[in-house]
Amino acid sequence: QQPVQSPQAVILREGEDAVINCSSSKALYSVHWYRQKHGEAPVFLMILLKGGEQKGHEKISASFNEKKQQSSLYLTASQLSYSGTYFCGTEYSGYGGATNKLIFGTGTLLAVQP
Amino acid sequence: DTEVTQTPKHLVMGMTNKKSLKCEQHMGHRAMYWYKQKAKKPPELMFVYSYEKLSINESVPSRFSPECPNSSLLNLHLHALQPEDSALYLCASSQGRQGKNTEAFFGQGTRLTVV
Repeated sequence: QQPVQSPQAVILREGEDAVINCSSSKALYSVHWYRQKHGEAPVFLMILLKGGEQKGHEKISASFNEKKQQSSLYLTASQLSYSGTYFCGTEYSGYGGATNKLIFGTGTLLAVQP
Repeated sequence: DTEVTQTPKHLVMGMTNKKSLKCEQHMGHRAMYWYKQKAKKPPELMFVYSYEKLSINESVPSRFSPECPNSSLLNLHLHALQPEDSALYLCASSQGRQGKNTEAFFGQGTRLTVV
């Protein structure tokens, strides 16, 4: 049931763009995106809900294709502070909507170099 | 206040010990979570409490026992753990409104070592 992310790792120069993908084998109710730096807790970036609603970070955008059960995170004009491991978190649809069962994807390690 | 506080930050325990991890939030969130994270792996869901009731148990061994004394507190009682249980244990909370999920806020975690 764990969503699969791609790529597994990516190295960027400052100012470059990156796309991280998250793919699920089950129908999704929502997709979350988190960034975790080494030794720290995951930090919320964005949530995308079934039906198109989304909220999150100003400089980071994401898309959610409900039919394909996929989401992509777009990091533009990357900064050194973007380095870390990115996880998608998926919640599957249950009776009445959300199930509060938040499952994390396999992760993508992003390194931004000067 | 968007903080989830976990104590202790570090814990070393023997295989015959009993210990507890604590988690506290004052955001009025009604869903609280325990995750286990091994090095270089994603957080792995263990338990979810919704409105102070255990709603999800991801087939976690009984040596881990969760408790939610009130809407602000979440405990994880540990007993007879194995060395492979050594990991970072993360607590999280979200608004958990029925029918609609919102973002989860994570505590800094407890780094557990079982010797």
